[in-house]
Amino acid sequence: DGGITQSPKYLFRKEGQNVTLSCEQNLNHDAMYWYRQDPGQGLRLIYYSQIVNDFQKGDIAEGYSVSREKKESFPLTVTSAQKNPTAFYLCASSPLQGRSGNTIYFGEGSWLTVV
Amino acid sequence: GDSVTQMEGPVTLSEEAFLTINCTYTATGYPSLFWYVQYPGEGLQLLLKATKADDKGSNKGFEATYRKETTSFHLEKGSVQVSDSAVYFCALSTNTGFQKLVFGTGTRLLVSP
Repeated sequence: DGGITQSPKYLFRKEGQNVTLSCEQNLNHDAMYWYRQDPGQGLRLIYYSQIVNDFQKGDIAEGYSVSREKKESFPLTVTSAQKNPTAFYLCASSPLQGRSGNTIYFGEGSWLTVV
Repeated sequence: GDSVTQMEGPVTLSEEAFLTINCTYTATGYPSLFWYVQYPGEGLQLLLKATKADDKGSNKGFEATYRKETTSFHLEKGSVQVSDSAVYFCALSTNTGFQKLVFGTGTRLLVSP
C-alpha cells in the first residue's frame, strides 16, 4: 500500500541526546515536510524539501536538522539544542511543489518525550 | 502574514445533531483551503478542500464552502455520529511558488450517544 511511514511511533530521549525520526514515503512525491504539533497550537512547519539534496527551514527550524539523500526519505534529527523537544512530530509529502491546490498527505506521527 | 482562526473547542454534541465549526482566514492572494481530521493518536487525514472562491468541498457528509467575501471556510455536517469525534484542523495553502500549509489551532469535537 502507498503511504508515509514514520518510525518510531514512541521515542524517549534523555536530556542532551540527539535523536533521529525516520520518514519514508512510497507515493513518489517530490515534496516532503516535517511538522511539530503541540497541544492547543496546531501544527508548525520545521523543515521542508522540494527535491533531493535540497531543503529549507520552516518557521521553527532551530534545534532541528534534516537530510534528503533519497526522494523517498526525509529523516529529522532533534538535537540537544532544541530546548523543548517533547511533542508530536508529523511527516508529510505532496506530489507537486508550486501548486497550492495539491493535497499534503501525512504520516501517523511520532511521539517524542524527553525524560 | 497568513493565518487561520478556528473556533475554540471542545464542541460537544449529541449524536445526530448539526455541526458547525467556524474557520476564517487571512491571506494574500487566493489561497486553497483545507479541512483535516485527526483521530486520537493518529496523523492527519484530508477531509475536504476547495481551491477557489465559491467552491464547495464535501466528503463523508461534511461540507465547507469557500467564501471569499467573508474569508471563511466553515465546516458543517447535518447529522454527526460518535465516530466523528476527533480534532478538526482548518488550513490554507498560498500559491507562493511552494506549497506550505498554515494551520488553525484545531477544534476538538466530542459526540455522545
